[in-house]
Amino acid sequence: EVQLVESGGGVVRPGGSLRLSCAASGFIFEENGMNWVRQAPGKGLEWVSGLNWNGGRTGYADSVKGRFTISRDNAKNSLYLQMNSLRAEDTALYYCARSTGDLYYYYYMDVWGKGTTVTVSS
Amino acid sequence: SYVLTQPPSVSVAPGQTARITCGGNNIGSESVHWYQQKSGQAPVLVVDEENDRPSGIPERFSGSTSGNTATLTISRVEAGDEADYYCQVWGSSSDHPGVFGTGTKVIVL
Repeated sequence: EVQLVESGGGVVRPGGSLRLSCAASGFIFEENGMNWVRQAPGKGLEWVSGLNWNGGRTGYADSVKGRFTISRDNAKNSLYLQMNSLRAEDTALYYCARSTGDLYYYYYMDVWGKGTTVTVSS
Repeated sequence: SYVLTQPPSVSVAPGQTARITCGGNNIGSESVHWYQQKSGQAPVLVVDEENDRPSGIPERFSGSTSGNTATLTISRVEAGDEADYYCQVWGSSSDHPGVFGTGTKVIVL
């Protein structure tokens, strides 16, 4: 079964850091671009970041650029999101999502995890 | 940055047709994907940029684009179609940021 499972969410104070992980299974992880998408409570979807199959190309939303870093370890079938300088507005459910192609962009996202919750509060 | 605007809600009676618009500058030249998100669940693609549907998505779902508007059409609406719907494109700048529409709640009367 094709599956993505996020972990690493939690409660953190403003200015703090958190590292999210996404474990992939049931498909050849290194063949697909990957993305992080978040959803603040009661709000819509917001694309956060993406990277290509080999991590050679990445993209970030303006709202997180310079604070978040996306990476992957194809040997461990895992995707990561290092989040620094967290703000209250980063509070959201963070989804990991697979691109249908080797790029994170252009293609649609066909497999999504259930998400991990990040709460930034003092 | 690129902005995609959707109506907050669309109400439709069972058996009727729901049309959800997504407005963006020259969106007709973009590749638009449509996602459905039911309450408490992760999003699911319903229509891709070529107006194709993943297996399991009924033919009642279709997409179109023209000028500054993309449209998701749901024919013969059923109670199970009640959900939030989002359009999505990839930006044309060098880092190709993803952009989601503001989202539309489809209410089945």
